[in-house]
Amino acid sequence: GAGVSQSPSNKVTEKGKDVELRCDPISGHTALYWYRQSLGQGLEFLIYFQGNSAPDKSGLPSDRFSAERTGGSVSTLTIQRTQQEDSAVYLCASSFLSGGGHTDTQYFGPGTRLTVL
Amino acid sequence: QQQVKQSPQSLIVQKGGIPIINCAYENTAFDYFPWYQQFPGKGPALLIAIRPDVSEKKEGRFTISFNKSAKQFSLHIMDSQPGDSATYFCAARTASKLTFGTGTRLQVTL
Repeated sequence: GAGVSQSPSNKVTEKGKDVELRCDPISGHTALYWYRQSLGQGLEFLIYFQGNSAPDKSGLPSDRFSAERTGGSVSTLTIQRTQQEDSAVYLCASSFLSGGGHTDTQYFGPGTRLTVL
Repeated sequence: QQQVKQSPQSLIVQKGGIPIINCAYENTAFDYFPWYQQFPGKGPALLIAIRPDVSEKKEGRFTISFNKSAKQFSLHIMDSQPGDSATYFCAARTASKLTFGTGTRLQVTL
């Protein structure tokens, strides 16, 4: 079946502009995550959606970052007034959380490479 | 306390060698420890994972060793192949959130 898809694959923008990044999770997956991967760094957690619960926004680096998940499926990460330090690969993952959360394997999309000039 | 420390940053081994990647953590609330493999231009993919009540897990050529008392775990790749050249991330989970190590770039030469 289809995996997690993200669009666009690459985005170049000018400092100060707003950008929207899209994630289509695997159908039926209840949880959706956004991560940021900077060059030579690990994955930095940004935000987590689970079902109809309030999202965990604890990883968002500033109030310029926001995300929403419509209808429990597609998610959009928005970065307002982009800065050069926002340049990174933004990865989305989804998982099916069972009651006990025993494995909760996260399946990642290919990412969106954002370059802020 | 949420940090997962991973070493080495990069590793070069010859084909057939056994690269070992190490990770350490502090938070005893972590309850699941996956390893992800990432090829250039792709998202990370789950390779193998272990729970803290198990000391070792093998899947094919990949083995996780887990030392709960030392709060350390490691990935061993047996009979490494050039196709194993990738970046490997350890991770630790609590409350459905993963904390990742900084990654190890592995190169397997002929």
